[in-house]
Amino acid sequence: SSELTQDPAVSVALGQTVRITCQGDSLRTYHASWYQQKPGQAPVLVIYGKDNRPSGIPDRFSGSTSGNTASLTITGAQAEDEADYYCHSRDSSGNQLFGGGTKLTVL
Amino acid sequence: QVQLQESGPGLVKPSETLSLTCDVSGYSISSDYYWGWIRQPPGKGLEWIGSFYHSGSTYYNPSLKSRVTISVDTSKNQFSLKVSSVTAADTAVYYCARQWTVTTTNYFDYWGQGTLVTVSS
Repeated sequence: SSELTQDPAVSVALGQTVRITCQGDSLRTYHASWYQQKPGQAPVLVIYGKDNRPSGIPDRFSGSTSGNTASLTITGAQAEDEADYYCHSRDSSGNQLFGGGTKLTVL
Repeated sequence: QVQLQESGPGLVKPSETLSLTCDVSGYSISSDYYWGWIRQPPGKGLEWIGSFYHSGSTYYNPSLKSRVTISVDTSKNQFSLKVSSVTAADTAVYYCARQWTVTTTNYFDYWGQGTLVTVSS
């Protein structure tokens, strides 16, 4: 099916590592990209391709994929990482797919 | 520096047509990227509306395809969105964004700030 599924909410203790996952059949073929969105702001690309970070994105953000599951890992989460995170991919018809989003709380 | 800016009415009446424009600066929309529209209803997630490539290829979300049109004005380096027969369910923040799509790699790297469109009488 052409859907991406994310857990609605995840929490992490300050300085610890957290993994946010995204499941979907399209991820067996196409890379996921990941976006961070803070309240009242536009989404910001944090990971794209196999595991690439745009300029300015801290190296504590990384991406990986196994089978139909893509993961965004934050190693040493900071208070400023508290945000909504969305995965994104495409299907074979060129339709763009977004996950439902994961709200990350940094405790 | 690539910049995108959405503009258009913030209030649209039910059954009418929503019209938005995205002005692009710092990059030509006739170059090797797709350009797209994404929306986000208040308190909800992101929904892709549609994208186009300068060659003329246009892709629409199947769930919105019958009501959506994306057009391009390369002379002004801008593109537009029309959504017809709107209802309250079309109330959302609308974003325009630059899209890279090549083989298995696909992402939106630059986004506009977004504009809230409310559908109400």
